[in-house]
Amino acid sequence: GQNIDQPTEMTATEGAIVQINCTYQTSGFNGLFWYQQHAGEAPTFLSYNVLDGLEEKGRFSSFLSRSKGYSYLLLKELQMKDSASYLCAVRGSGGYNKLIFGAGTRLAVHP
Amino acid sequence: ETGVTQTPRHLVMGMTNKKSLKCEQHLGHNAMYWYKQSAKKPLELMFVYNFKEQTENNSVPSRFSPECPNSSHLFLHLHTLQPEDSALYLCASSPTVQGTYNEQFFGPGTRLTVL
Repeated sequence: GQNIDQPTEMTATEGAIVQINCTYQTSGFNGLFWYQQHAGEAPTFLSYNVLDGLEEKGRFSSFLSRSKGYSYLLLKELQMKDSASYLCAVRGSGGYNKLIFGAGTRLAVHP
Repeated sequence: ETGVTQTPRHLVMGMTNKKSLKCEQHLGHNAMYWYKQSAKKPLELMFVYNFKEQTENNSVPSRFSPECPNSSHLFLHLHTLQPEDSALYLCASSPTVQGTYNEQFFGPGTRLTVL
């Protein structure tokens, strides 16, 4: 079967660093995406990894280890507006850009 | 704004009603998608269209009927739905369905409640 696991909820303090983990078991692998979704809004793209290693984009970084079926999203210098759900999604092989999503991690940032 | 709009934003319907959800993308993309997002569950892909042709039907019940008249518009026709179909329905688009990057851009969704 295909499975994407990520923690359901996390809390963190403004200004701190938080790491959101994602593990996956899928039939084939052709890239991993992280999306941010504020309540009642559209998911918005944060990062994409297809090769092992770290991709950095401002305050957000994403890491991938294909051999371990593992990724994490690192958020630095947390701000209140970072309170949202973070969705991990894997694109399997076989074309048609089919994404398999995890259930999302709801992050609450406190002052 | 992601360049993908959806109407209506909220919809309440009875089980015997017929309604339609509309999605429009202003990004010049050729692929469009319907997803279902139920509370505390992962986004589930329903349908994929590439250049107006359906390329994926993820075992969706026939009470959901998609229509893609052109690459910019996507509809989801609903009839005789069940209460468990209540969810957020998200539309997305991407440049194509092939390629290594191919980020999907999502609309804000339609919150559907079936009574």
